[in-house]
Amino acid sequence: AQSVTQLDSQVPVFEEAPVELRCNYSSSVSVYLFWYVQYPNQGLQLLLKYLSGSTLVKGINGFEAEFNKSQTSFHLRKPSVHISDTAEYFCAVSERESWGKLQFGAGTQVVVTP
Amino acid sequence: DAGVTQSPTHLIKTRGQHVTLRCSPISGHKSVSWYQQVLGQGPQFIFQYYEKEERGRGNFPDRFSARQFPNYSSELNVNALLLGDSALYLCASSLTDSSGNTIYFGEGSWLTVV
Repeated sequence: AQSVTQLDSQVPVFEEAPVELRCNYSSSVSVYLFWYVQYPNQGLQLLLKYLSGSTLVKGINGFEAEFNKSQTSFHLRKPSVHISDTAEYFCAVSERESWGKLQFGAGTQVVVTP
Repeated sequence: DAGVTQSPTHLIKTRGQHVTLRCSPISGHKSVSWYQQVLGQGPQFIFQYYEKEERGRGNFPDRFSARQFPNYSSELNVNALLLGDSALYLCASSLTDSSGNTIYFGEGSWLTVV
């Protein structure tokens, strides 16, 4: 069994400031890791994913995440946020043998203010 | 190309009724998954279908069922609706069930049970 913990339910941030969203996971098997974004009243959009290789993953809209196996973490960062980054962000894991079955965290609401 | 399309976008049902939600995957995608997202929570995996066969089922009661058609579209059926079934139901598709294929989400069907 696996689980995903997003350590912050809400993160307020000023425009042009950096932001970090924390995600920890637990699993007894190897996993793939994902970050999705959900804008109000919309579905989920993939920001980035870690499958293998370099532990630093770059995604869309200037986001990046770093996989840390020893700490079982996959934190998401952006050096300078925009108002349009206001959204809900979800971390997710998938067992390597079960592609397509995502286990999501509870989400982190990012609110960007001028 | 069209993304994952779901219908209806919104619907209201009464307790005890039955509901059918529909999903058309991206053209060429053969894997479809369903998720339930209760307000304020992350999506929860319900079913995955690949090539018309069930590949996985989440921890949901037998009132929930699904199927995939020869054209790879899918239906999610929920019987004997409960108030707690009120949620956003998301459909996701990927090219195959092999690792590495990006999983794309539709915008969901909002179900309200009264």
